[in-house]
Amino acid sequence: DTEVTQTPKHLVMGMTNKKSLKCEQHMGHRAMYWYKQKAKKPPELMFVYSYEKLSINESVPSRFSPECPNSSLLNLHLHALQPEDSALYLCASSRDRNTGELFFGEGSRLTVL
Amino acid sequence: ILNVEQSPQSLHVQEGDSTNFTCSFPSSNFYALHWYRWETAKSPEALFVMTLNGDEKKKGRISATLNTKEGYSYLYIKGSQPEDSATYLCACSMNTGFQKLVFGTGTRLLVSP
Repeated sequence: DTEVTQTPKHLVMGMTNKKSLKCEQHMGHRAMYWYKQKAKKPPELMFVYSYEKLSINESVPSRFSPECPNSSLLNLHLHALQPEDSALYLCASSRDRNTGELFFGEGSRLTVL
Repeated sequence: ILNVEQSPQSLHVQEGDSTNFTCSFPSSNFYALHWYRWETAKSPEALFVMTLNGDEKKKGRISATLNTKEGYSYLYIKGSQPEDSATYLCACSMNTGFQKLVFGTGTRLLVSP
């Protein structure tokens, strides 16, 4: 099983809603990542977790709150988002923080109204 | 600020043509260079991870080279097939290690039968 699974695939939310994006992998990887991609732009790193601990936060606004409940799961909690936060959110994993190859999910397409 | 540039932005070739793309990055403090292939509605898939100057890697009809001294990598596709149509992303990390990948905007390849 070499998949990274993201749910939901599509999410539409209002600016006052609270929602979550979920990511799951069963490859035994110990590093997990959130990337954000807006149209015609490259994916941008948001957060990195290594062994379930937050390793990197790329100065992401606090309305995005990551959580890593265990080594297989990574969540991104969303609250009070803005329309400009509409984007494709990609989750990825790697064997550990020093092993370069990333395995990506298909992404969650978020629209904030 | 790490800036990764890819050219061309898009490319349209005929089946059987060979093609190549370029990825440019700052040569100082280089750590690793990744190539990913991203088909529409699928997840980005790792092609190569390279770290050493002069590295050459090959996977089927696709190969890549790395020049860390001058800060560029080439991706070659020999005998392009319609199933090669995708966006090819280059990503680079500097001496902070593998984790902080910075992506280029990609080269969108379309191969016509």
